[in-house]
Amino acid sequence: ILNVEQSPQSLHVQEGDSTNFTCSFPSSNFYALHWYRWETAKSPEALFVMTLNGDEKKKGRISATLNTKEGYSYLYIKGSQPEDSATYLCAPLDTDKLIFGTGTRLQVFP
Amino acid sequence: SAVISQKPSRDICQRGTSLTIQCQVDSQVTMMFWYRQQPGQSLTLIATANQGSEATYESGFVIDKFPISRPNLTFSTLTVSNMSPEDSSIYLCSAPRGGSTDTQYFGPGTRLTVL
Repeated sequence: ILNVEQSPQSLHVQEGDSTNFTCSFPSSNFYALHWYRWETAKSPEALFVMTLNGDEKKKGRISATLNTKEGYSYLYIKGSQPEDSATYLCAPLDTDKLIFGTGTRLQVFP
Repeated sequence: SAVISQKPSRDICQRGTSLTIQCQVDSQVTMMFWYRQQPGQSLTLIATANQGSEATYESGFVIDKFPISRPNLTFSTLTVSNMSPEDSSIYLCSAPRGGSTDTQYFGPGTRLTVL
């Protein structure tokens, strides 16, 4: 079973601030890393699927980088908005199963 | 993108009873997954439901407690049997868009409270 760690556990920022979170995972036998955003009472929403070392993906104000050699990924949000408030989950793929971290809960205050 | 619905969205149940959660996908998928999120914990995989074969359970989960059906390529059920307060969780089903390494789509979840 992979050990997936996310930090920080929670984050409170002001609207307009930029922020970033970390996902750490074992670097051996890497297949892919998924990032999800989960708002309360909604389905988790897929943000990125990353597979290559050095990958950098972007979706609007959200971007992510991947380092498979050292086993980490960063998620960045530029100019946070209240609608960005959610829990952000990373999940490396273990063979054919996703193993989720405990997530980073982001709260953006207006 | 796949659309996944779940029923019920929430329920409050008495200890010792069972609840069956339904998951419907709007397109045919080979694999469906069932997850649980206990309060303050991460999403934990319970089992993989494959059509035409028995579900594959993860360590710590057994068929007697969480029986799963997968009668066709668009539908699955998870039953939480003989419930206790420790089973209070959000239960989600998911299915990958393409192969198992592709983006997974999730249902909205079933929020279960056991008294």
